[in-house]
Amino acid sequence: AQKITQTQPGMFVQEKEAVTLDCTYDTSDPSYGLFWYKQPSSGEMIFLIYQGSYDQQNATEGRYSLNFQKARKSANLVISASQLGDSAMYFCAMREGPSSGGYNKLIFGAGTRLAVHP
Amino acid sequence: EADIYQTPRYLVIGTGKKITLECSQTMGHDKMYWYQQDPGMELHLIHYSYGVNSTEKGDLSSESTVSRIRTEHFPLTLESARPSHTSQYLCASSDHRDSQPNEQFFGPGTRLTVL
Repeated sequence: AQKITQTQPGMFVQEKEAVTLDCTYDTSDPSYGLFWYKQPSSGEMIFLIYQGSYDQQNATEGRYSLNFQKARKSANLVISASQLGDSAMYFCAMREGPSSGGYNKLIFGAGTRLAVHP
Repeated sequence: EADIYQTPRYLVIGTGKKITLECSQTMGHDKMYWYQQDPGMELHLIHYSYGVNSTEKGDLSSESTVSRIRTEHFPLTLESARPSHTSQYLCASSDHRDSQPNEQFFGPGTRLTVL
């Protein structure tokens, strides 16, 4: 069965430093997508970055990058130059199969709470 | 910026009341979803819809029901609220297209407390 594991309940980082949030996944489907979302204390979910299982290069979006190691089934989020506004919950999620015509359903991990200290 | 709205944002009600949580999106997305999330925990899919008149139960069993009479509207109803229904409810939508990532866009959520 598909599963997402985030082993770090909480992480601390100093402002301007880089931080890595871990995510491992389990699936038997060769086609899948991995997402990272940010959830501030206000509650909304903000899409950050996406990695497709067939993508050759690691995804990057501004200060966010995804360290995708397919053989190890890991998709860690790297945030560079942390800012105070990065303090939030971060969720890794997986979608099995192609989104078009498919269910486009997501399975979420338990999340990691990141605290950025000045 | 996503155009998906949820009302109310906060709701405190007594046991046994019937409630409807509203969700609307103006993006013309055909797929919509309801998630339940306890504080600091993962999201669990409770309902989804592929389009008008299409609704399915999600991975987490829920006593709530949904309807999809219009593309833009996906309300969730609890016929008789109980304290165990206390949670945050998040609505999301996504498009029907081939291009990636085809991410889900989320509303701000409704925080429900049943006394």
